[in-house]
Amino acid sequence: QKEVEQNSGPLSVPEGAIASLNCTYSDRGSQSFFWYRQYSGKSPELIMSIYSNGDKEDGRFTAQLNKASQYVSLLIRDSQPSDSATYLCAVNPLRNKLTFGTGTQLKVEL
Amino acid sequence: GAGVSQTPSNKVTEKGKYVELRCDPISGHTALYWYRQSLGQGPEFLIYFQGTGAADDSGLPNDRFFAVRPEGSVSTLKIQRTERGDSAVYLCASSSAGKGSSYNEQFFGPGTRLTVL
Repeated sequence: QKEVEQNSGPLSVPEGAIASLNCTYSDRGSQSFFWYRQYSGKSPELIMSIYSNGDKEDGRFTAQLNKASQYVSLLIRDSQPSDSATYLCAVNPLRNKLTFGTGTQLKVEL
Repeated sequence: GAGVSQTPSNKVTEKGKYVELRCDPISGHTALYWYRQSLGQGPEFLIYFQGTGAADDSGLPNDRFFAVRPEGSVSTLKIQRTERGDSAVYLCASSSAGKGSSYNEQFFGPGTRLTVL
C-alpha cells in the first residue's frame, strides 16, 4: 500500500462546476496535510494546508480532513480553465518531511 | 519578499561527472529540504536541514549524494559519478517551522532539471 494515494486522473469537469479531488494516507500518526498545485513544467505551489478534522475554506478552495477515515480532499468551486493542473496531496507522517502522492490531473473544459 | 531560488535551472552533464545544485531559501527560513521529482511522480524527499545541520538524510539514495548548508542559509546538493538514473527535477523547499513542528508549510523553488547523458 502506498503511503499517500491519489487517483491519477485525468479528472475532467466543465467550467463553473465543482472539482473534487481525493487523497488517502496510511500513517495514522500524520498530523498535517497539504494540497499543492503544479502546472506542467513548473514546481509545486502550496494552495491549502489543514491540520484538524473538518473543513477549511480559502476563496474557491475547501480542504476537508477526516483522520478517522485517513482521508483528505480538496474541493474547487466555480472551476476555471486556469485551474487545469496536477494537484498533489502531501502528508507529514514524520515531523518535518512531506510524503507526496503521485497527483491528480485536473482538466477544466470550456 | 523573494521566494526560494535555485540555480542552475537546467543542467546537462555526462555520465560519471560531478554536479552541484544550489538552493537559496526564503530569508529567515531555518528549515530547508531537498526533493527529487521524476516524470509522473510526486516529489520524493531527499534530505532536511534545520539550521546548518542535516536533521534527516534518510532519503538520500546512496553515498554519491551529499548536501551541505554551512552557514544555515544557502544549501548545495552534490552528486558524484552521476548516472543516467539521476536524471530528474531537483526541488528545494524552505519552511519557517522549527524542528518537530507539525505546522510545516513548505514553499518550493523553481527546481533544477538535471539530465545525465
